[in-house]
Amino acid sequence: QKEVEQDPGPLSVPEGAIVSLNCTYSNSAFQYFMWYRQYSRKGPELLMYTYSSGNKEDGRFTAQVDKSSKYISLFIRDSQPSDSATYLCAMRLTGGGNKLTFGTGTQLKVEL
Amino acid sequence: EPEVTQTPSHQVTQMGQEVILRCVPISNHLYFYWYRQILGQKVEFLVSFYNNEISEKSEIFDDQFSVERPDGSNFTLKIRSTKLEDSAMYFCASRTSANTDTQYFGPGTRLTVL
Repeated sequence: QKEVEQDPGPLSVPEGAIVSLNCTYSNSAFQYFMWYRQYSRKGPELLMYTYSSGNKEDGRFTAQVDKSSKYISLFIRDSQPSDSATYLCAMRLTGGGNKLTFGTGTQLKVEL
Repeated sequence: EPEVTQTPSHQVTQMGQEVILRCVPISNHLYFYWYRQILGQKVEFLVSFYNNEISEKSEIFDDQFSVERPDGSNFTLKIRSTKLEDSAMYFCASRTSANTDTQYFGPGTRLTVL
C-alpha cells in the first residue's frame, strides 16, 4: 500500500463548480497536512496547512482532515479557470527532519 | 513577500558530469530541503539540512549526492557523476525553526542528463 494515495485525474469541471480533491494515507503518525498547488513546470505553492483533525477555511478554499479515516480533502468553491493546476497533498510527522510525503497530485482543469 | 530562489532554471549536462544546483532560501529560515520530481511522477524527498549537517536523507540520496551551505545565504546540491535517471525537476525548500511551520518551495531547476 502506498503511503499517500491521490487520484491523478485529470478532473475537468465548469467554471463556478465546487471541486473536491482527496487523499488517503496509511501512516497514522502523520500530524501535519498540506495542500500545494503546482502549475506546469513550476514549484509547489502552499495553499492550505492544517494540524491534526478538523477544518480550515481560507477564502474559496476549505481543507478537511479526518484522522480516524486517514482521509484529507480540499474543497474549492466557485472554481475559476485560474484554479487550473495540479493539486498536491502532502503530510509529515511531528519532529525530526520534517520531510514531506507527497501524493501524486490531481490535475484539475476549470473550463469556461 | 520573501521567496526561495533557485539557479539555474534549466541545466543540461552530459552523463558522468558533475552538476551543482543552487538555492537561496528565505533569509530567516533555518531548515533546508531538496526534493526532486521526475516528469509525471510525485515529488520525492531527498535530504534535509539543519545546523550545517544532514538531518535526514532518503534512499535516493546516495554517495553521488552531497549538500552544502557554503555561506550564509546559499544552499547547494551537488551530483558528482550524473546518470540519465537523474533527469528531473529539483526543488529546494526552506522553513523556520518553528516545528509547526511548513516548507516553502522554490521554482525548481530542470536537470536534463544526456
